[in-house]
Amino acid sequence: DTAVSQTPKYLVTQMGNDKSIKCEQNLGHDTMYWYKQDSKKFLKIMFSYNNKELIINETVPNRFSPKSPDKAHLNLHINSLELGDSAVYFCASSQRYSGGGETQYFGPGTRLLVL
Amino acid sequence: AQSVAQPEDQVNVAEGNPLTVKCTYSVSGNPYLFWYVQYPNRGLQFLLKYITGDNLVKGSYGFEAEFNKSQTSFHLKKPSALVSDSALYFCAVGNAGNMLTFGGGTRLMVKP
Repeated sequence: DTAVSQTPKYLVTQMGNDKSIKCEQNLGHDTMYWYKQDSKKFLKIMFSYNNKELIINETVPNRFSPKSPDKAHLNLHINSLELGDSAVYFCASSQRYSGGGETQYFGPGTRLLVL
Repeated sequence: AQSVAQPEDQVNVAEGNPLTVKCTYSVSGNPYLFWYVQYPNRGLQFLLKYITGDNLVKGSYGFEAEFNKSQTSFHLKKPSALVSDSALYFCAVGNAGNMLTFGGGTRLMVKP
């Protein structure tokens, strides 16, 4: 049983297109996150949601719009894709967001290539 | 602002030898420190974390890490390296809002 799953695993698309990445967790966690890992393997948080509400938005361009239909899902929609959006996007979840020290569990990643 | 430094891009060690992957951090308030491992084309796997208490934290796959407050370090260690430990290792610091800041990663190469 996959704890945090993402679809698709690979995504190749043209500049200017709109695409979505889906994430689901079956851990019963309240908090979910999106991270971006660039070509140099540097990881940076993009968003976090707690129980469907946005908690963190780390100055991500508004072309990126997360949507959480319920606390088990956090999807990422990207409009007008640019070359610089090429990266691996990781979804993660944790039991809760407050208090610190919560372990985050990561999905397998979605490798996005914008041509 | 919080930050993490992993000063070594790569660590090479022979199988059976002890390994250390270095991490230093900067954070205001109590540090919440984590180590994750990433195998090729895979997601990050949690290894261990320090929240409070004993400075020596034991984690998965025989790894441990030592929290040193005076040196603001949280180095990852293993007494005897395996070839299968070869991977990319990330140190991270979290705040009370559970926002993780990752270091740049250290590639561990264990040679037979």
